[in-house]
Amino acid sequence: GENVEQHPSTLSVQEGDSAVIKCTYSDSASNYFPWYKQELGKRPQLIIDIRSNVGEKKDQRIAVTLNKTAKHFSLHITETQPEDSAVYFCAASWGSSASKIIFGSGTRLSIRP
Amino acid sequence: GAGVSQSPRYKVAKRGQDVALRCDPISGHVSLFWYQQALGQGPEFLTYFQNEAQLDKSGLPSDRFFAERPEGSVSTLKIQRTQQEDSAVYLCASSLGGELFFGEGSRLTVL
Repeated sequence: GENVEQHPSTLSVQEGDSAVIKCTYSDSASNYFPWYKQELGKRPQLIIDIRSNVGEKKDQRIAVTLNKTAKHFSLHITETQPEDSAVYFCAASWGSSASKIIFGSGTRLSIRP
Repeated sequence: GAGVSQSPRYKVAKRGQDVALRCDPISGHVSLFWYQQALGQGPEFLTYFQNEAQLDKSGLPSDRFFAERPEGSVSTLKIQRTQQEDSAVYLCASSLGGELFFGEGSRLTVL
């Protein structure tokens, strides 16, 4: 069945360093890959997304890369700041953009001052 | 308001009780999703609607779980004969296609 695997489950980086979170998906029909950030006690919020016709997308300090052949996609955060501390979830969607979205298990990112 | 609204925010139920969780999506959003999020885990897909049609309910863990969206707007997730393992945050999200907009969630605790 559809599955999204995410790693690492926890990540601690020094403020100013980069953080990378990786995900793999099972179904080659997946065509939409969003990333959500969830701060403690709050709702998940979209931070960036990528569609399968694009290999890389960047928004300021955040970038996402997609390797369709290997069924991998990654989130890169550069020049990390304390406010980047949160849980990050990757996700993948099958079929049309209105179809269900399956989430990974999350990465708890901590930024050390 | 402009966002997805869920109620109640917190619900404590005794084992065996029935509960109903409500979701008011963003006006005009065609798609509505329900997720279950256990502590420290990612959102687990339960079901989703396109307008009033329930297109996928493969994530509902048992026949004790039932969701409806009769007029294509407000949705209700009902859990019958609650069990302790049902304790979780139930997240509702709506979408026009693409980005999911989540509500604050309903935290269910079954004693």
